[in-house]
Amino acid sequence: LAKTTQPISMDSYEGQEVNITCSHNNIATNDYITWYQQFPSQGPRFIIQGYKTKVTNEVASLFIPADRKSSTLSLPRVSLSDTAVYYCLVGAGDGSGNTGKLIFGQGTTLQVKP
Amino acid sequence: DAGVIQSPRHEVTEMGQEVTLRCKPISGHNSLFWYRQTMMRGLELLIYFNNNVPIDDSGMPEDRFSAKMPNASFSTLKIQPSEPRDSAVYFCASSSNRDRAYEQYFGPGTRLTVT
Repeated sequence: LAKTTQPISMDSYEGQEVNITCSHNNIATNDYITWYQQFPSQGPRFIIQGYKTKVTNEVASLFIPADRKSSTLSLPRVSLSDTAVYYCLVGAGDGSGNTGKLIFGQGTTLQVKP
Repeated sequence: DAGVIQSPRHEVTEMGQEVTLRCKPISGHNSLFWYRQTMMRGLELLIYFNNNVPIDDSGMPEDRFSAKMPNASFSTLKIQPSEPRDSAVYFCASSSNRDRAYEQYFGPGTRLTVT
């Protein structure tokens, strides 16, 4: 499973757009990029997944360049409630019968300030 | 759906005692995962099951840890004997292979304290 590198922490202010970049230089051809969010005293929660280019849902956008060696999670107009740890994961989670084994790194602690 | 259910939510026990953590996955999900989270080591995958069969237990720390899944709606993680270094939050998660295996649904966790 490819190793991921992301910043340990980030600060932002309410209303700003936050971009968290993750490096995964050894990503394999069949690996997908998945992001999870974890609030204090809760289990992680799936945010978004992508393979290439751009994916957008109601929560976030995920940008993946052509070489797929990195990815950027974009959170539009953050609020105080977006303060959490964000995990970038890479693995064979394409839903084609794989069990979806995910390896969590240290994550990025996002602190949103008023 | 009620989501993944874990019990107990908190457990305090003395070193040497047996501890059993329980998990009920989301109905219809056929993969189940056990994780452990500590400040020092982060979130670690201990073991996962697919269709009630253990697939990968390489994350299980040692023989003191064992996990079972007797049926599709129930799993246990047992620690015997427990040690202070086992203190952590233990999460259970489930997912559906048929759809999006990468989208795991986590339970609220069990906070274990071994004194």
